[in-house]
Amino acid sequence: DSGVTQTPKHLITATGQRVTLRCSPRSGDLSVYWYQQSLDQGLQFLIQYYNGEERAKGNILERFSAQQFPDLHSELNLSSLELGDSALYFCASSADPRVDYGYTFGSGTRLTVV
Amino acid sequence: QQQVKQSPQSLIVQKGGISIINCAYENTAFDYFPWYQQFPGKGPALLIAIRPDVSEKKEGRFTISFNKSAKQFSLHIMDSQPGDSATYFCAARGGFTAGSYQLTFGKGTKLSVIP
Repeated sequence: DSGVTQTPKHLITATGQRVTLRCSPRSGDLSVYWYQQSLDQGLQFLIQYYNGEERAKGNILERFSAQQFPDLHSELNLSSLELGDSALYFCASSADPRVDYGYTFGSGTRLTVV
Repeated sequence: QQQVKQSPQSLIVQKGGISIINCAYENTAFDYFPWYQQFPGKGPALLIAIRPDVSEKKEGRFTISFNKSAKQFSLHIMDSQPGDSATYFCAARGGFTAGSYQLTFGKGTKLSVIP
């Protein structure tokens, strides 16, 4: 157990629907990162939050949004889902990025859009 | 400039052999170079990492070689075992900007170690 908890582990939904993925970071970690992993794209950075504030955005679609709550857990919202959104979604966390260089990943949420 | 290029895409090695995975980068502001190991159905896990002021780091059977002038780094797995079969990602971290660091990942190498 890495200490980063992601729920649900699996999600099957229909096109056009909206889903929410949840991430609880490792205790004490302030930063949360979301990544999308599909077969031919490797790990694609979506977005980062640090202590509740958005800090960096990657290739995140406008249909996707995220937030980090005061208790530091984060949610990734995916809407108007398309077949191509089927992927593994990983959350990672790290402590103060100025002193901790490591990312700890969760086990991911496998999203299947049918 | 933010890209990290990783090769090969896949690698088959005999048990006991040496597995070598290479990565190259362009951004000289990168200050930390980790390798992650990912087993099917699991999240990537930090395997070993190096700072650019060091040319080599060894942990057990895993070694990172770092060539700052060539902007290349590689992972060597000595005495490769079937249990090492996984996908390996190299990564590079950018400098501290506006309160944020990010890891840029290579596309991954699927390693298969055959008995």
